[in-house]
Amino acid sequence: QSVLTQPPSASGTPGQRVTISCSGSSSNIGSNVVNWYQQLPGTAPKLLIYSRNQRPSGVPDRFSGSKSGTSASLVISGLQSEDEAGYYCSAWDDSLNDYVFGGGTKVTVL
Amino acid sequence: QVQLQESGPGLVKPSETLSLACTVSGGSTSGYYWNWIRQSPGKGLESIGFIYYTGSVNYNPSLRSRVTISVDTSKTQFSLRLSSVTAADTAVYYCARSGSRYGSDAFDIWGQGTMVTVSS
Repeated sequence: QSVLTQPPSASGTPGQRVTISCSGSSSNIGSNVVNWYQQLPGTAPKLLIYSRNQRPSGVPDRFSGSKSGTSASLVISGLQSEDEAGYYCSAWDDSLNDYVFGGGTKVTVL
Repeated sequence: QVQLQESGPGLVKPSETLSLACTVSGGSTSGYYWNWIRQSPGKGLESIGFIYYTGSVNYNPSLRSRVTISVDTSKTQFSLRLSSVTAADTAVYYCARSGSRYGSDAFDIWGQGTMVTVSS
């Protein structure tokens, strides 16, 4: 059972907007930065969003992140077939004194 | 650019010690945190722990009694030892870097991962 809660799946047709939620608590999301990772099938995770809503170079601007209180969201605006992957949120947890992750959300492009 | 590569046995017997190394190429270990993260088959990610290049460590509380992470700056390599393994430790093990310009908590570079199976 993951400390951060994500829906196990999400889907959309090409061009649609998809939102993935990540719910935590005051000891993690409520007080620390949330980062998002994309994991394509059979590969290692890749940093997608950092410092709330910044993208490393090379990450398309259709990916965006936000945070409010103890929850965070990842939005894919204009879903594309290559976005079919697993998405994970992560944050430092002040109570556990360790990094925590969401269980991951598998995005399917219909 | 900096790349990470895990190495070590793919099969470990129950009750024995899992040992993995992560080689840093294209850069040095200085100035960064070096992490071990695992992913059980079909499941999510779990932090095992991390080491700062100075040698300061932090471990997942649930694994602390069994984990040792060390760094060898001369070899630009860091290592993981996990003792008394069981089938529950079967996972893909990743090494990853944090503490870069993307923020102290962002894992910006990952190894490709290595599958470790615990079985007799």
